[in-house]
Amino acid sequence: NAGVTQTPKFQVLKTGQSMTLQCAQDMNHNSMYWYRQDPGMGLRLIYYSASEGTTDKGEVPNGYNVSRLNKREFSLRLESAAPSQTSVYFCASSEAILTLRRTDTQYFGPGTRLTVL
Amino acid sequence: LAKTTQPISMDSYEGQEVNITCSHNNIATNDYITWYQQFPSQGPRFIIQGYKTKVTNEVASLFIPADRKSSTLSLPRVSLSDTAVYYCLVGPMNTGFQKLVFGTGTRLLVSP
Repeated sequence: NAGVTQTPKFQVLKTGQSMTLQCAQDMNHNSMYWYRQDPGMGLRLIYYSASEGTTDKGEVPNGYNVSRLNKREFSLRLESAAPSQTSVYFCASSEAILTLRRTDTQYFGPGTRLTVL
Repeated sequence: LAKTTQPISMDSYEGQEVNITCSHNNIATNDYITWYQQFPSQGPRFIIQGYKTKVTNEVASLFIPADRKSSTLSLPRVSLSDTAVYYCLVGPMNTGFQKLVFGTGTRLLVSP
């Protein structure tokens, strides 16, 4: 049981290049998320997928696109990378099942450290 | 989602108890309080969640007063490996999916 996995771990791009960050979870979770974290800052939500077949914008979606390929996989694409997109990217997933006793808990991947030159 | 306020940083020594307080004055009746921990170069991980009074697990305790306008995360006898950023979040129960809002958290540094 690997939890949430992300590839690649590190990536260096030149301005204008494109790339796709991959994320997969093996916990049969319904919801998946993409965050970015800049140095010394909290996490900011880029896009999320509340359930398979749906995606929605988060707080900072500009310059990104996402695909919920199936229930397990949620990818993040940078079409034309910019230096402002230099950050650490985290994927997360959550069960997102209605329950009376708790709020939803998110499980995070190890992150992808992206540098755009 | 209710806004939270917590100290930017705290320092401690190994073996001490650390208490991190979070203010959430606008907490709603159906909101839960959740704490996440983030080690350097890792994603955040859930550590504890509560609604009122006291919750304890193998990692930490969470104290919530009757008015629920604040909460305190207590880490007993910290070690160097507890050096991390701790995030306090408030969000509703009974919703299934929800978006989390992470602030800047509290950066805890544990020294020998």
